[in-house]
Amino acid sequence: EIVLTQSPATLSLSPGERATLSCRASQSVSSYLAWYQQKPGQAPRLLIYDTSNRATGIPARFSGSGSGTDFTLTISSLEPEDFAVYYCQKRDNWPLTFGGGTKVEIK
Amino acid sequence: EVQLLESGGGLVQPGGSLRLSCAASGFTFSTYAMSWVRQAPGKGLEWVSSIGVSGGSTNYADSVKGRFTMSRDNSKNTLYLQMNSLRAEDTAVYHCARQTSTYNFDSWGQGALVTVSS
Repeated sequence: EIVLTQSPATLSLSPGERATLSCRASQSVSSYLAWYQQKPGQAPRLLIYDTSNRATGIPARFSGSGSGTDFTLTISSLEPEDFAVYYCQKRDNWPLTFGGGTKVEIK
Repeated sequence: EVQLLESGGGLVQPGGSLRLSCAASGFTFSTYAMSWVRQAPGKGLEWVSSIGVSGGSTNYADSVKGRFTMSRDNSKNTLYLQMNSLRAEDTAVYHCARQTSTYNFDSWGQGALVTVSS
């Protein structure tokens, strides 16, 4: 079973700064990697699918890149509403695994 | 507007059973695969199970295989998760989620809390 490892566990940044989140797969998942955002008390929201495609309504400051085993979610300039937990998810095969999450907190 | 509303959560003893429901509205339910994703308190997301549009195809995480059964009633726009032989480690908020053609989850319910404890 493929394991997704996210790093860092916590990222402390200020509004306006650039955030770079990593998701590493234990085996190749091709380009089949998505990213979600979850705020406290809320359901997750799909941000990016298949590595680099923004979901409906997602701002352009969110971008994804990578392939195979190494993927990155970049938030170009953090807005106050972007401080949340971010999860990656693979869809190459069953099971549809999630990573452990990265918390982006206000510095 | 897509809406997914879970119900049926609660407190159950280890070894017990519970059935969750998810009422869907705002979209053509019968044309979407659906999934359950759970989140233990203070923990990350864990995919639990998925079902195809007709209900004839299901997939389960190893952690619940043989104990949980997912089903759907397209005439009622409702998704179900029958949970048997529950364990303490099944304690979580269970979200139903609409699955896209790319096997991602683009709409989520707020979740139903299941607590397994004696």
